[in-house]
Amino acid sequence: QKEVEQNSGPLSVPEGAIASLNCTYSDRGSQSFFWYRQYSGKSPELIMSIYSNGDKEDGRFTAQLNKASQYVSLLIRDSQPSDSATYLCAASGDSGGGADGLTFGKGTHLIIQP
Amino acid sequence: DGGITQSPKYLFRKEGQNVTLSCEQNLNHDAMYWYRQDPGQGLRLIYYSQIVNDFQKGDIAEGYSVSREKKESFPLTVTSAQKNPTAFYLCASSIADGTEAFFGQGTRLTVV
Repeated sequence: QKEVEQNSGPLSVPEGAIASLNCTYSDRGSQSFFWYRQYSGKSPELIMSIYSNGDKEDGRFTAQLNKASQYVSLLIRDSQPSDSATYLCAASGDSGGGADGLTFGKGTHLIIQP
Repeated sequence: DGGITQSPKYLFRKEGQNVTLSCEQNLNHDAMYWYRQDPGQGLRLIYYSQIVNDFQKGDIAEGYSVSREKKESFPLTVTSAQKNPTAFYLCASSIADGTEAFFGQGTRLTVV
């Protein structure tokens, strides 16, 4: 059974600081990793994808991937109150019969304090 | 506008009743998915389809059924065999399985 683990939080960060969200995954065959943001009562919104080891930056967001440690992280710089949401980590990989959807963690609830 | 449309937004089901949730996409995506989300929980995969006329069970397929007769459409039926159907149901699609997935607005199903 593939698993993606996240700390549920809440993670409280002052406005303007860096928020650091972490995720580990169990399946070494996972190849693709995604971060989604979900506001309460809404559907998830894709904010970052990462496929190879290292860092990937997009605006205030940086995704980091370490396949040897099976670890994915998301950094949010200059955190804003509008960043307050639940962040879902997802992994996808070839389990031998082709990829089979995304496996999601339970999400980390992030609160940005004004 | 391109996107994924789920309907209805809210749905109420009586005990023992089958209901069907609609999911349509105009993104020309091959892969489509159904997920279920319970309060405070992550998303769990119900069914997915990589191509028309083919679909596979996810982690929690019992009590659900799907069809994929058209590339654009992937309806989900919640049958009376699903004993705890109250949840937020999310449909998603991607260019191919394993790539970035995009979600519809969701259907909130409640048993009354």
